[in-house]
Amino acid sequence: DAGVIQSPRHEVTEMGQEVTLRCKPISGHNSLFWYRQTMMRGLELLIYFNNNVPIDDSGMPEDRFSAKMPNASFSTLKIQPSEPRDSAVYFCASSFLAGGYEQYFGPGTRLTVT
Amino acid sequence: SQQGEEDPQALSIQEGENATMNCSYKTSINNLQWYRQNSGRGLVHLILIRSNEREKHSGRLRVTLDTSKKSSSLLITASRAADTASYFCATTGANSKLTFGKGITLSVRP
Repeated sequence: DAGVIQSPRHEVTEMGQEVTLRCKPISGHNSLFWYRQTMMRGLELLIYFNNNVPIDDSGMPEDRFSAKMPNASFSTLKIQPSEPRDSAVYFCASSFLAGGYEQYFGPGTRLTVT
Repeated sequence: SQQGEEDPQALSIQEGENATMNCSYKTSINNLQWYRQNSGRGLVHLILIRSNEREKHSGRLRVTLDTSKKSSSLLITASRAADTASYFCATTGANSKLTFGKGITLSVRP
């Protein structure tokens, strides 16, 4: 298996632009997680899905952030409009189930908003 | 919060020495996991220990869990330069979410 795939790996955009991050989880995994990592705040869980259904989005910072999982093999995290404070590395992870199973992380998308 | 907090924040050792990293947490957990992150990469799962387990081994890794003290330790024996990375503990509680600590930066000098 190729592991969790994320695209793009790097994204540089101007403030106010829409940003879409993409993730393909490991085939057969039922849970998908979006995290954000910064030096100041560490690794934060933004949202997670079980069987394509959003279960907990309490970590989504504000309405500018939205996430979808239209099918078992694809998820997006969208930021609209983007702001400089959104600059971070965004990770997607998947696991067989939620509830403390080991998670497999993608390589991350480094987002820079100028 | 049940967030794990690692100690020390940074550790520098000589190749061949053992590295011990600690993690403390605040509320009851179902399990605790350790992850490694190399610079510029995603996290990689190392080991999981359940709340009813006290010790677990995997290769050169040894993890202990003391639920009475709400703490865990990760021991890497006979360290190698390739072990240089950040190490995170992560806890799972009743809400089923994995909560990560801020991480420990381990440097192994050749």
